[in-house]
Amino acid sequence: GAVVSQHPSRVICKSGTSVKIECRSLDFQATTMFWYRQFPKQSLMLMATSNEGSKATYEQGVEKDKFLINHASLTLSTLTVTSAHPEDSSFYICSARAQGPEQFFGPGTRLTVL
Amino acid sequence: DAKTTQPNSMESNEEEPVHLPCNHSTISGTDYIHWYRQLPSQGPEYVIHGLTSNVNNRMASLAIAEDRKSSTLILHRATLRDAAVYYCILRDVEAGGTSYGKLTFGQGTILTVHP
Repeated sequence: GAVVSQHPSRVICKSGTSVKIECRSLDFQATTMFWYRQFPKQSLMLMATSNEGSKATYEQGVEKDKFLINHASLTLSTLTVTSAHPEDSSFYICSARAQGPEQFFGPGTRLTVL
Repeated sequence: DAKTTQPNSMESNEEEPVHLPCNHSTISGTDYIHWYRQLPSQGPEYVIHGLTSNVNNRMASLAIAEDRKSSTLILHRATLRDAAVYYCILRDVEAGGTSYGKLTFGQGTILTVHP
């Protein structure tokens, strides 16, 4: 199957700093990319959907100024958590889709904000 | 999105078949039934999807009830590597079959496989 990578896999930062997470589709062009967040022992929650070259569409309750999403190319999307606080500590997972219905997920990025 | 109901957890022994049920009584005509699984500390992985007919692939089989109000994911011989959270998700497809709805994850079923 198609491969989606994320970088970094794990990041620890101080409260108030910003963190950027990269998501890449390695062997296919992703028309749409998705960002999810998962707290411990909970299910995945969709944060936003982005199409290449367009502004991201955020789910209700997700602050677009705090979670900046850039989908600059068909193989790269970035999520920047601005002014991170301990409550932003979570497992962030990206997903990508080409033309078909199958979505391919990255391995996730574990963010810890001290 | 139409809702699905799955048992919180199930257990199986290694090399035995596993039947994971999913109820979706409010499914609409354009909803596909998707199954994904998530191994510990990893992103979800696609398992299988179908609309009306039963489906088979190298990972699993999907049995869909005639009225489409329920489905069952079948792992023919469970291995320890199949221990994961299994998510049953309904996803609609727009007319023309080129645009798909969002994947909205519920709580899923935690599958434990015993050696």
